[in-house]
Amino acid sequence: GDSVTQMEGPVTLSEEAFLTINCTYTATGYPSLFWYVQYPGEGLQLLLKATKADDKGSNKGFEATYRKETTSFHLEKGSVQVSDSAVYFCALIYGNNRLAFGKGNQVVVIP
Amino acid sequence: GAGVSQSPSNKVTEKGKDVELRCDPISGHTALYWYRQSLGQGLEFLIYFQGNSAPDKSGLPSDRFSAERTGGSVSTLTIQRTQQEDSAVYLCASRRISQGAQKTEAFFGQGTRLTVV
Repeated sequence: GDSVTQMEGPVTLSEEAFLTINCTYTATGYPSLFWYVQYPGEGLQLLLKATKADDKGSNKGFEATYRKETTSFHLEKGSVQVSDSAVYFCALIYGNNRLAFGKGNQVVVIP
Repeated sequence: GAGVSQSPSNKVTEKGKDVELRCDPISGHTALYWYRQSLGQGLEFLIYFQGNSAPDKSGLPSDRFSAERTGGSVSTLTIQRTQQEDSAVYLCASRRISQGAQKTEAFFGQGTRLTVV
């Protein structure tokens, strides 16, 4: 079935460092792709989305580009802040409206 | 309301008791999902409702779990004879189903933290 794979393990980095979280997907057809963020003690919030190939989603300095040729939707931010510490989930919605999530990545930004 | 509302926000129950968790979706959202998130884990799909169609129950972990959605709006997730391994955060999400190929995002509630002691 359709699925999402995120890179293993937590990510720890210093403030103002460059962040990349890899996400690849397997899907038939043309899913819509999403990044969700979960701050400590809170529910999931939509961070950004892209609904067709080559679309770039962006929000709060984060960006991700829907790459159909590599089936990827990697999340990037040029200069992270301590307030970006959270868990990030890559997700897709496909034909039957099922939501598929990656396992999530804990990001810890050190001052 | 403006967002997805879940209640209670926290629930502590004794092993063997039944619990009911409630989800109030965004008005007009016909799709409703339940997920479970165990400590430090990802999201485990439980069940999906869409309009008047039969729900997709393929993620329910055992027959102790059931869910219903009344009137196409509020949903209740029921766990019977709770076990300690049921302890987790239960998340509900709703979506507006679009007619076109581009899929709309899901909106999540704050979750119910269930602790079985």
